[in-house]
Amino acid sequence: GQQVMQIPQYQHVQEGEDFTTYCNSSTTLSNIQWYKQRPGGHPVFLIQLVKSGEVKKQKRLTFQFGEAKKNSSLHITATQTTDVGTYFCAGRRGGSQGNLIFGKGTKLSVKP
Amino acid sequence: KAGVTQTPRYLIKTRGQQVTLSCSPISGHRSVSWYQQTPGQGLQFLFEYFSETQRNKGNFPGRFSGRQFSNSRSEMNVSTLELGDSALYLCASSLRPGVYEQYFGPGTRLTVT
Repeated sequence: GQQVMQIPQYQHVQEGEDFTTYCNSSTTLSNIQWYKQRPGGHPVFLIQLVKSGEVKKQKRLTFQFGEAKKNSSLHITATQTTDVGTYFCAGRRGGSQGNLIFGKGTKLSVKP
Repeated sequence: KAGVTQTPRYLIKTRGQQVTLSCSPISGHRSVSWYQQTPGQGLQFLFEYFSETQRNKGNFPGRFSGRQFSNSRSEMNVSTLELGDSALYLCASSLRPGVYEQYFGPGTRLTVT
């Protein structure tokens, strides 16, 4: 079945270092969304990418959607302890008809 | 605007029992999706409802069912509970299906003993 693979599963960084998580789909996606889940919390929507090659920024976070709309990445510059949590990508295939398929997430820990 | 609410927040059941979980979406949101979250499998899609109709269903056995009411509130039911059903069940609402972001509730933590 359709899968959305996300790597790495875990990432430990020193505060101030950069962090990147990657998301890959076996099929073309109509859009991709990113969510963050803090420990003990629930996923919170960060951003949505729709266009091929799209790049969006939110302060220290940079999101990219691949040209083929099969992969995406989230890059955090100069991590802070507040960035701790699990980052999920979620891809949708088939326009508005398909459901969101979540990657298994990348758990980020930041050492002060 | 109030967020997505889920009740109950915690539940302990024994094998073979059934359980009903409830979700109230954000006011004005008409699409509700349910997910099962476990440490090993991550977030797995259960089903999505819009206008009281199930639009999509994930790869779960028929013991998992759901419905949506005319006020967009949704319930999911799990019959004949198994130990492996222990998980965090998350409900998410959005304005409509498709390109809209989802707003998650706090979840119901179900433990099956």
